[in-house]
Amino acid sequence: GAGVSQSPRYKVAKRGQDVALRCDPISGHVSLFWYQQALGQGPEFLTYFQNEAQLDKSGLPSDRFFAERPEGSVSTLKIQRTQQEDSAVYLCASSLAGQGYQETQYFGPGTRLLVL
Amino acid sequence: GNSVTQMEGPVTLSEEAFLTINCTYTATGYPSLFWYVQYPGEGLQLLLKATKADDKGSNKGFEATYRKETTSFHLEKGSVQVSDSAVYFCALSGSGGGADGLTFGKGTHLIIQP
Repeated sequence: GAGVSQSPRYKVAKRGQDVALRCDPISGHVSLFWYQQALGQGPEFLTYFQNEAQLDKSGLPSDRFFAERPEGSVSTLKIQRTQQEDSAVYLCASSLAGQGYQETQYFGPGTRLLVL
Repeated sequence: GNSVTQMEGPVTLSEEAFLTINCTYTATGYPSLFWYVQYPGEGLQLLLKATKADDKGSNKGFEATYRKETTSFHLEKGSVQVSDSAVYFCALSGSGGGADGLTFGKGTHLIIQP
């Protein structure tokens, strides 16, 4: 079946511009995660949804970052007034049942954001 | 808080060599442990996992054993192939109620030469 998809795959933004990154999780997956991966680093957790509820947003680096999942499927990560330090790959992952820490997360290909 | 430390790369080996990539962790409670792999031009894929102490995860000839006494989850393979060249990430998920985000190490770039 289809995996996690993300769009756009690449985004170039001018500093100060707003961007929106989309994630389509695997159909039926309850949990959805966003991660930020800087060049040469491991992914870092940003936020987590269980269905439409955002249960953890402790990793969002500033109030310029906002995520939503209004119908419990597709999610959007929005970054307002982008800064150069926001340049990174943004990864989305989903897992089946929201049963906790033992579950496998399935990752999308990522959106590479470059802020000039 | 949770943290994962894995050996820095790049690690360069010849084909058919034995591979070990070290991974140690710090966590409260009883986390689950994972190895993810990122092949060139592709997304992160789960390689193997272990959810409790002394469990051994295995896949595609790779193995890792959850050692709580040494807080380690080292990745091993007896005979590597050129196709194993990739970046390998060790990760853990916390033991709190509900799903937790993964905590990743920085990744180890593995290069296998023919």
